Amino acid sequence: AQSVTQLDSHVSVSEGTPVLLRCNYSSSYSPSLFWYVQHPNKGLQLLLKYTSAATLVKGINGFEAEFKKSETSFHLTKPSAHMSDAAEYFCVVSDPGAGNNRKLIWGLGTSLAVNP
Amino acid sequence: EAGVAQSPRYKIIEKRQSVAFWCNPISGHATLYWYQQILGQGPKLLIQFQNNGVVDDSQLPKDRFSAERLKGVDSTLKIQPAKLEDSAVYLCASSQEGVYGYTFGSGTRLTVV
Repeated sequence: AQSVTQLDSHVSVSEGTPVLLRCNYSSSYSPSLFWYVQHPNKGLQLLLKYTSAATLVKGINGFEAEFKKSETSFHLTKPSAHMSDAAEYFCVVSDPGAGNNRKLIWGLGTSLAVNP
Repeated sequence: EAGVAQSPRYKIIEKRQSVAFWCNPISGHATLYWYQQILGQGPKLLIQFQNNGVVDDSQLPKDRFSAERLKGVDSTLKIQPAKLEDSAVYLCASSQEGVYGYTFGSGTRLTVV
């Protein structure tokens, strides 16, 4: 069975310092992996996705993630945090299925705080 | 491209009352999803439609929740009667055939008192 573990429920960084949000997954298949961001009182927005192409995936707002099969990890990084990055971040793995019958398996989320 | 539209944005009802949420997906997106997100948790899939057919409703509490997508476009989710534990944000998402990743609406925040 597929599963996702976000290793930190809360991360706090200073503005201008690097961001690292950790995610490990368990999958018997070649997974598709996603990071979503949710700002307070806003909907979920897709940051980036890995679908078996390049292992280093670049997303919006300067975020990127690297798929490491040997470590079963898909950590999200950003070189320099901005105040607007404060939000909840979800790591998601796609359960393989036919066509659009894929289920998304969600991590519990990591709350990112950015201090001035 | 217009996003996924949901209404209302907020709803407060008393327990045992009924409530309905509406979702209009992105034009051309065949697959529509309803998620429930309880405060402090990740989203939980309630039901998935492919056009106007149900693909997965295994986690929908069918004794009180119902959903329909009659013409394969917009959809409604209903709760009747509501319980206190139904307080959550209800998110609608849609996706395009063959494309990974969903587009989410802003959600409806339901408070049951």
